Amino acid sequence: NAGVTQTPKFRILKIGQSMTLQCTQDMNHNYMYWYRQDPGMGLKLIYYSVGAGITDKGEVPNGYNVSRSTTEDFPLRLELAAPSQTSVYFCASSYYTSGFSDTQYFGPGTRLTVL
Amino acid sequence: AQTVTQSQPEMSVQEAETVTLSCTYDTSESNYYLFWYKQPPSRQMILVIRQEAYKQQNATENRFSVNFQKAAKSFSLKISDSQLGDTAMYFCAFIRDYGGATNKLIFGTGTLLAVQP
Repeated sequence: NAGVTQTPKFRILKIGQSMTLQCTQDMNHNYMYWYRQDPGMGLKLIYYSVGAGITDKGEVPNGYNVSRSTTEDFPLRLELAAPSQTSVYFCASSYYTSGFSDTQYFGPGTRLTVL
Repeated sequence: AQTVTQSQPEMSVQEAETVTLSCTYDTSESNYYLFWYKQPPSRQMILVIRQEAYKQQNATENRFSVNFQKAAKSFSLKISDSQLGDTAMYFCAFIRDYGGATNKLIFGTGTLLAVQP
């Protein structure tokens, strides 16, 4: 198993550009998440998905969009990039069923800089 | 709302010694899970240890163990025989035992641990 993979590892964007961060997991997890980590801080939830076709907002969703057409993939779209979106982005996945919450496994992260 | 507090921004320990990282949390829930994640300079988030709130026994994983005090809402991590590879940022995290919007990790702000040779 590759676990959770993310691409790209690094990216520099200009203000106003758009991009998609890719995330794929091969563990057949139903839940997937996008977090951002600002310097010196813990992670904050951007969006999450409880299964294919179902997504919802987390704590800091403004400026982002997601989709989940398959169990494996959960891309994060940045529209009109702003300097405030400079951060490290982590994708994670887990298995959840009533009465059991599995550990969240993280991808290696994408370092994004908006200039 | 749930919160997680790590009161030690930085700590240092000599190689082969033992160090304890503190974490407290606030919740009114009875069913939840607690985690310690390690983030080395590579930025990868690596699970160190996991504790289910309904289990009274403290979790252990090789050199890593926790002291889980449910009534005090305390969840400290003890690293024994510290190694240079333990140098990393350590995050304490909490998750409720429910699905949907509440099934998200709440992170503390982290403790930067430096293991000195």
